[in-house]
This record gives sequence, C-alpha cells and structure tokens, in this order.
Amino acid sequence: EAEVAQSPRYKITEKSQAVAFWCDPISGHATLYWYRQILGQGPELLVQFQDESVVDDSQLPKDRFSAERLKGVDSTLKIQPAELGDSAMYLCASSLEGGITEAFFGQGTRLTVV
Amino acid sequence: GEDVEQSLFLSVREGDSSVINCTYTDSSSTYLYWYKQEPGAGLQLLTYIFSNMDMKQDQRLTVLLNKKDKHLSLRIADTQTGDSAIYFCAERSGNAGKSTFGDGTTLTVKP
Repeated sequence: EAEVAQSPRYKITEKSQAVAFWCDPISGHATLYWYRQILGQGPELLVQFQDESVVDDSQLPKDRFSAERLKGVDSTLKIQPAELGDSAMYLCASSLEGGITEAFFGQGTRLTVV
Repeated sequence: GEDVEQSLFLSVREGDSSVINCTYTDSSSTYLYWYKQEPGAGLQLLTYIFSNMDMKQDQRLTVLLNKKDKHLSLRIADTQTGDSAIYFCAERSGNAGKSTFGDGTTLTVKP
C-alpha cells in the first residue's frame, strides 16, 4: 500500500545545531504539506507545496526554517539553528491536489531539542 | 484568524456510542474533517463533510453539521477499545486554503 515516508522517525539534537527532515510523498501526489504538532495540540501547517512551488508558507519561521521540493517529488525541511521550543512532531502529508482530496500523513519525525 | 475548539477528553464504555463535538469560527469553511491519531502515528482521515451537507453516515461513523451554529459532531456507534485515540476536527476554506485543526479530543474506551 502506498504511504508517505518520513525519516528519521526520531531525532535528538542540541540547541543551535542544524537538523533536517526528509519526506517522500505518495507517488503522483502534487501537493505536499509540512505540519508541526506540539504535544497536546493539533497540527499547524508550516508550508504547502504544489509540485515544486510554495503555495503557503505564512506560518513558517523563515529566520530559522527552510523547506524545499526541488524536483516536485520529495521534500526536505531544515531548522538552523534549532531552539528548545522547536521540540515537536513534524508531520508530512501529501494529496493528489489541494482542497478536498484526501491528505495522507506520514508517521512523523519526533524532534527533541536539548 | 480561524479557530477550532474541541473538548479535551471523552471516556465511554465499550459498546456505547461516543459523541465528539467541535466548534469553529470561520463562516467560509467549505470542508470539515475528522482525523484519528493513534499513539506515535500520523493522522488518518476518518471522514469529511461539505458545508452544504447536514449529515453524513459511513458505517459506524455519523457526522452532523450545524452550519448556523458552526458546530460539528462525530458519533461513533458501538465504540470498541480499538477506537481509543485522539480525534481531531479540522476545517478548510476553499480549494487552496490550509486546514486548521483543533487540539484534539482524547477518547478512552473502557472494557
């Protein structure tokens, strides 16, 4: 069964270090999302791609976060430098298109900044 | 901005019905969703409803939408221990709009 792949599953990093997460969406899915989920809260959209273009990055802290999807397939989310408050689950999702089409979520990367 | 509110916890006995409630503020919400999240896992879309619908039923799941009151509910019939999870309500406005999630309702099913 097709699924959204994310790696790593868990990451522990020291504050001020750089960290990167990778997402491989379901084949053929044009829309890719990165969400941040703080413990006890719902997911918050960080960035949305349509193919290789950013559609919405209004909630992405651009001073330290960056995201790319160069070939419109897999995507990387980077944090540099990491801060203690960045500890969260980072979820990637993909859908055929935006809108109502179902978004499939990966299992997420649990980031702990120490 | 948009806001989605849910009660934090619900506990039911196995075999009973569960009703999880959600309110939202965005009057232009077009689509409303219910997601399920099990421990350590991503989100699984359970069902969704268009804003021009009042009700949608899918096997044990019934979604009711009161657009006037901006109230959404998810009823799970014959709740099983495997239904224990966190349930998220989410809304989206239009085709390109982002989804806004509530903070989730933790459902505990006791045997």
